[in-house]
Amino acid sequence: GQQVMQIPQYQHVQEGEDFTTYCNSSTTLSNIQWYKQRPGGHPVFLIQLVKSGEVKKQKRLTFQFGEAKKNSSLHITATQTTDVGTYFCAGPGSGAGSYQLTFGKGTKLSVIP
Amino acid sequence: EPEVTQTPSHQVTQMGQEVILRCVPISNHLYFYWYRQILGQKVEFLVSFYNNEISEKSEIFDDQFSVERPDGSNFTLKIRSTKLEDSAMYFCASSEAYPGRSSYNEQFFGPGTRLTVL
Repeated sequence: GQQVMQIPQYQHVQEGEDFTTYCNSSTTLSNIQWYKQRPGGHPVFLIQLVKSGEVKKQKRLTFQFGEAKKNSSLHITATQTTDVGTYFCAGPGSGAGSYQLTFGKGTKLSVIP
Repeated sequence: EPEVTQTPSHQVTQMGQEVILRCVPISNHLYFYWYRQILGQKVEFLVSFYNNEISEKSEIFDDQFSVERPDGSNFTLKIRSTKLEDSAMYFCASSEAYPGRSSYNEQFFGPGTRLTVL
């Protein structure tokens, strides 16, 4: 079945440093979504990327979708303590018109003040 | 802002007992989902529901699991005979469209029910 892999599993950064998490799918994706889960919280939608090579920005966050639509990245510039949490990428299932989201294992970000 | 709600927030049960987890999706959404997350692990898809029937389910969603939309607002997950390994956080989610579409299909997650099976 489809697999979504994410690295690194953990990242500890000093406040103000940059952070990047990478996501790779075993299959081509129609779209990819990114979610953030704060400690003890639930996943919260950040963004969806649809087009090959698409780049979207949200303030200090930059999201990219690869040309082959099999990989994606999230980059945070100048991390803040409010960025703490686990960042998941998620893609739809491999079947046509799939109703499920397959999540990566997530990257847990710790920010040292 | 509309949100998905779930009850209870924490459920403790004995192995072999039946549990029902409840969710109220966002009112104008058409697609409903259950996910689970074992502590410290990734979010795993269980089942999706559309037009009053299951549209897709994972290997985890075996005969012990069932879903129901008993009225116009509630969406429930029943586990018939709980096992120790069912202990996890269960998230309900809803969306306007399904993930396989390229158009906007953000999933809104509820706060979760923490299920502890003893």
